[in-house]
Amino acid sequence: GESVGLHLPTLSVQEGDNSIINCAYSNSASDYFIWYKQESGKGPQFIIDIRSNMDKRQGQRVTVLLNKTVKHLSLQIAATQPGDSAVYFCAESAGNQFYFGTGTSLTVIP
Amino acid sequence: GAGVSQSPSNKVTEKGKDVELRCDPISGHTALYWYRQSLGQGLEFLIYFQGNSAPDKSGLPSDRFSAERTGGSVSTLTIQRTQQEDSAVYLCASSLFAGGDTGELFFGEGSRLTVL
Repeated sequence: GESVGLHLPTLSVQEGDNSIINCAYSNSASDYFIWYKQESGKGPQFIIDIRSNMDKRQGQRVTVLLNKTVKHLSLQIAATQPGDSAVYFCAESAGNQFYFGTGTSLTVIP
Repeated sequence: GAGVSQSPSNKVTEKGKDVELRCDPISGHTALYWYRQSLGQGLEFLIYFQGNSAPDKSGLPSDRFSAERTGGSVSTLTIQRTQQEDSAVYLCASSLFAGGDTGELFFGEGSRLTVL
């Protein structure tokens, strides 16, 4: 399978600060990318996605950046809140298949 | 239903027993995926169903694992002769696949399997 890795396995931020979670992917043919949030004991929840014809996409308090040149994806969370504490996964897709990284654990310090 | 439903939410079984895990995808979603998540790990792909096409079974770890999808809707993942290393959370996801574009995956809450 394809490898999708995260640069930082854990991240702690102060409440109100911005968070950046990074992800590297290896398949240059991947054309669809998703960020998921997983809280303890729950299934992953969709946060934001981006297709390869874009390099930036914004949602509510979240921004995804895609750099195809270096095969890098990042998730930016603005004004991080305690409810943002979770494990974040990036996923890449080429065709019908999705490959997930191991996740980054984000802890928000009140 | 409103979301992907999985049952049971928790299953404890003895080594050597068979288990069945069920997934009800979102109505109208033609694509269905099974993933396995071990403690503190990422998601490991197991199997993928798309419409009436032959499933992609390339992620199944051994021949003790099998899955079927009846009527293009409900799916059952079966693990025969369970082993302790099968202990994990089994996640099901569905997706609306249309026009050649894969949409986002919607996940269920998972079935936590513990093999004693």
